[in-house]
Amino acid sequence: DTGVSQDPRHKITKRGQNVTFRCDPISEHNRLYWYRQTLGQGPEFLTYFQNEAQLEKSRLLSDRFSAERPKGSFSTLEIQRTEQGDSAMYLCASSLSGRIGDTEAFFGQGTRLTVV
Amino acid sequence: AQRVTQPEKLLSVFKGAPVELKCNYSYSGSPELFWYVQYSRQRLQLLLRHISRESIKGFTADLNKGETSFHLKKPFAQEEDSAMYYCALIIGGGNKLTFGTGTQLKVEL
Repeated sequence: DTGVSQDPRHKITKRGQNVTFRCDPISEHNRLYWYRQTLGQGPEFLTYFQNEAQLEKSRLLSDRFSAERPKGSFSTLEIQRTEQGDSAMYLCASSLSGRIGDTEAFFGQGTRLTVV
Repeated sequence: AQRVTQPEKLLSVFKGAPVELKCNYSYSGSPELFWYVQYSRQRLQLLLRHISRESIKGFTADLNKGETSFHLKKPFAQEEDSAMYYCALIIGGGNKLTFGTGTQLKVEL
């Protein structure tokens, strides 16, 4: 599968623990996005990278959340001191340069986080 | 702030019947509108975008700026159309998609 891959697919953690998710975009894509999806809702934008630069962050991304893309390839999303409200599906997407209206965003299958 | 509304959580139609999935948006400017689809156990994928004015898998969607709508239509539903459909927009030449809450389409035999 040469699409966007996310790891792990599922994560169960205890409240207060830290978790880290990984996203590997399509190899030639220099844009990478993180979204969060809770039950019954559509995906909500969290943050976006152009190569290694984090260009935009949503207000949803509290101080407990941090995302990196150190070499402009894979990205990690870390949640510190997890809370039950963090339980959601975390989606990663990637695209080529250019406005997203012109270039298609390809989504990964997501990481489902459950905080108990 | 921009917003996308999909009023129906579930739409059930019979095979061969016409389908219309409603999408309304709130934004004073000229957004770019998209429909994304998620089939069972598959990832979210782009179905169509208004700037392309294309028909994909028999689906079409017309942007109506007067009614701020971007309804998705298909004249004859097929069983394989059963999926979750999300309407989404981008504003101001930006990069982030704003999604609606989605409509689950169920095509019954």
